Amino acid sequence: DAGVIQSPRHEVTEMGQEVTLRCKPISGHDYLFWYRQTMMRGLELLIYFNNNVPIDDSGMPEDRFSAKMPNASFSTLKIQPSEPRDSAVYFCASSQGTSAANEKLFFGSGTQLSVL
Amino acid sequence: QKEVEQNSGPLSVPEGAIASLNCTYSDRGSQSFFWYRQYSGKSPELIMSIYSNGDKEDGRFTAQLNKASQYVSLLIRDSQPSDSATYLCAVVRSSGDKLTFGTGTRLAVRP
Repeated sequence: DAGVIQSPRHEVTEMGQEVTLRCKPISGHDYLFWYRQTMMRGLELLIYFNNNVPIDDSGMPEDRFSAKMPNASFSTLKIQPSEPRDSAVYFCASSQGTSAANEKLFFGSGTQLSVL
Repeated sequence: QKEVEQNSGPLSVPEGAIASLNCTYSDRGSQSFFWYRQYSGKSPELIMSIYSNGDKEDGRFTAQLNKASQYVSLLIRDSQPSDSATYLCAVVRSSGDKLTFGTGTRLAVRP
């Protein structure tokens, strides 16, 4: 298996623009997670899905952020409009099993987002 | 108080020494504990998990858990320059629904 695949690897955009990050989880994994990583706050969970259904989006910072998982092999995280404080590395991760928290997470390579 | 706290480091040790990485957590009912390693510019990868009090060994790595003190640690024996990375402590809180990460400790192993 190729692992969790994220695109793009790097995204540079201007404030106010829409940004869409993409993720393909490992086939057969039931859970998909979106994390954001910054030096100050570390790895923060934004939202997670179980069997394509959003379970907990309490980590989404505000209404400018939205996430979808239309099928088992694809998810998007959208920021509209983007702001400089959204600059961070965004990771997608997937796992299998019966619990959102107690299983090994497999991370994608991340998307380095810079909002100018 | 942060849910999971780690000293950001850097922790610098000579090659061959024991590196000791520490983590404290605030939720006394936390259930499961993990250590992830993250090389610079890469994604985190799981290296150890521990669920009950005591020590758990895996090769050069030993995880230690003390729930009464709300403390979990990772020992790396015979440290190698290739161990230089940021080590993230992650905790499943009592509700069991989320994995919360610390901000990580950067380890530098000097040749």
